[in-house]
Amino acid sequence: QKEVEQNSGPLSVPEGAIASLNCTYSDRGSQSFFWYRQYSGKSPELIMFIYSNGDKEDGRFTAQLNKASQYVSLLIRDSQPSDSATYLCAGLYGNKLVFGAGTILRVKS
Amino acid sequence: DAGVIQSPRHEVTEMGQEVTLRCKPISGHNSLFWYRQTMMRGLELLIYFNNNVPIDDSGMPEDRFSAKMPNASFSTLKIQPSEPRDSAVYFCASIIAGEQETQYFGPGTRLLVL
Repeated sequence: QKEVEQNSGPLSVPEGAIASLNCTYSDRGSQSFFWYRQYSGKSPELIMFIYSNGDKEDGRFTAQLNKASQYVSLLIRDSQPSDSATYLCAGLYGNKLVFGAGTILRVKS
Repeated sequence: DAGVIQSPRHEVTEMGQEVTLRCKPISGHNSLFWYRQTMMRGLELLIYFNNNVPIDDSGMPEDRFSAKMPNASFSTLKIQPSEPRDSAVYFCASIIAGEQETQYFGPGTRLLVL
């Protein structure tokens, strides 16, 4: 069974700190992973995707993929209160995304 | 582009009634996905279409649920009869087939079945 696991949190970090969000997956069949941000009452929006082992950086965001350990992470540098949201990790299996339950991030000013 | 459009945004109905949710994908996107989100089960894929053809409906919970895509710009998700456990937020999303990084979600329909 394809599962994507996330700690539900909440993860609380002070403003300006690095927030580290983690995700593990059970099925090696996925080669691509996506991070979505979802504000309360809103729809998910794609913020990062990663296909290859290693790191991928985009502004304050860095996605990390370790296929040997079946581990995906998202780092948010210089966290801002506006980053407070639920972050969903998803693995792509064929043409379908399998989502984790999401991690609630709270950035305190 | 206006993005993915869903209607209604909110729906309150009584158990046993038929519910129809509507979705207009982004122009040029040829794959469409219906998701359901609840606190208990998170975000689940119900069904997806490629070029208006249903490809995988393994996530549809019961025969009470049905989905159609009569043309490239319109899809419906119908629940008949509705039950309280169907209460959830239903999202529609569209992509250019094979390009998941192009996926955009609609604003969702918040359904409450009393």
